[in-house]
Amino acid sequence: AQKVTQAQTEISVVEKEDVTLDCVYETRDTTYYLFWYKQPPSGELVFLIRRNSFDEQNEISGRYSWNFQKSTSSFNFTITASQVVDSAVYFCALSVFNSGTYKYIFGTGTRLKVLA
Amino acid sequence: EAGVTQFPSHSVIEKGQTVTLRCDPISGHDNLYWYRRVMGKEIKFLLHFVKESKQDESGMPNNRFLAERTGGTYSTLKVQPAELEDSGVYFCASSRPRYGEKLFFGSGTQLSVL
Repeated sequence: AQKVTQAQTEISVVEKEDVTLDCVYETRDTTYYLFWYKQPPSGELVFLIRRNSFDEQNEISGRYSWNFQKSTSSFNFTITASQVVDSAVYFCALSVFNSGTYKYIFGTGTRLKVLA
Repeated sequence: EAGVTQFPSHSVIEKGQTVTLRCDPISGHDNLYWYRRVMGKEIKFLLHFVKESKQDESGMPNNRFLAERTGGTYSTLKVQPAELEDSGVYFCASSRPRYGEKLFFGSGTQLSVL
């Protein structure tokens, strides 16, 4: 079975601090995709990044960076120099192709509070 | 392009009543998904449509939930009769018909059953 674990329920940081959100996934599939989504107070989940299982290159996009490690089944997300606007719930997700259908499995989310 | 639209944004009903949620996906997105999130828990899969066909409904909790997708366009999710445990945020998402595609989400419907 597939599973996504986000052990951190809530994190509070002071503005300009760096913060890392953890994501650990489980799957027996060799081909899969990993995602991060952000849910701001407005409610709509916003796509941040996608990684496929064959691409372990880390990625940096502005203040955001992602560390994908297959050896530990982790796909962690770091925000550098956090800002108040980063306050949101962040979801990690795993996508597999199973029984003829695409499945997306989400974690429980991590609520990030960035304090001014 | 217009995003995924869900209606209503909030619904408060009493136990035993019926509620219908609606989702309008992005035009051209064959895949449409329904998810539910109970406070503090994971976003849990309910149902997947490919065009008008139910591809996977393994996440539907019981036969009080009925989903339809008329002509492969908008979708409705009806709960009849509603129970207290049905409370939560119901999300709709759509995507292009390709493996690994990102999901585009609506803002969700907050359902409260009293």
